[in-house]
Amino acid sequence: DIQMTQSPSSLSASVGGRVTITCRASQSVRSYLNWYQQKPGKAPKLLIYTASSLQSGVPSRFSGSGSGTDFTLTINSLQPEDSATYYCQQSYSTPYTFGQGTKLEIK
Amino acid sequence: EVQLVESGGGLVQPGGSLRLSCAASGFTFSSYAMTWVRQAPGKGLEWVSGISGSGGSTYYADSVKGRFTISRDNSKNTLYLQMNNLRAEDTAVYYCAKASEANSGYFQHWGQGTLVTVSS
Repeated sequence: DIQMTQSPSSLSASVGGRVTITCRASQSVRSYLNWYQQKPGKAPKLLIYTASSLQSGVPSRFSGSGSGTDFTLTINSLQPEDSATYYCQQSYSTPYTFGQGTKLEIK
Repeated sequence: EVQLVESGGGLVQPGGSLRLSCAASGFTFSSYAMTWVRQAPGKGLEWVSGISGSGGSTYYADSVKGRFTISRDNSKNTLYLQMNNLRAEDTAVYYCAKASEANSGYFQHWGQGTLVTVSS
């Protein structure tokens, strides 16, 4: 199985700031890497698919990059509503594993 | 509008069984792969199982292989997860999700989740 490792596990940033979350796969997943946002008590929301494609309706301050084993999710111009946990997920091969999550707090 | 509504969760004793259902509407159900993802209390997301649009191909996480069975009834637009020999570590909210594109492995639409508690 492909293991997904996210860093950091948690972070805090200010409104208007910028954060980068990284995700590393234990083997190449090419560009089959997706990012989700989850708020407490809610289902995950797809933000980015195939590494860098922005899901329709998601603000353009969210962006993704990377290929192979190393990926990043960047959030610019942080807003209070960006406070959430973010997960990466590989869809290269089953089982479609998730990273352990990164909890983002907005100060 | 795509809607996914899970049901069937509840309290079950270790070693027991439960069948989850996910009623789908708003799209051509048979054209899309579907999946189950779970989340233990206070923990992260875990992909559990997936099934192709026709139902001919199924996939499982190692943690549930041999105990859980995914299936679908395309005539009823419903996805199922039969869970047998349940363990305490299966306690979680179970979400069903629809593949964003036919057989893609990423998921735009999710249900609200159903809670499964395995405890004596």
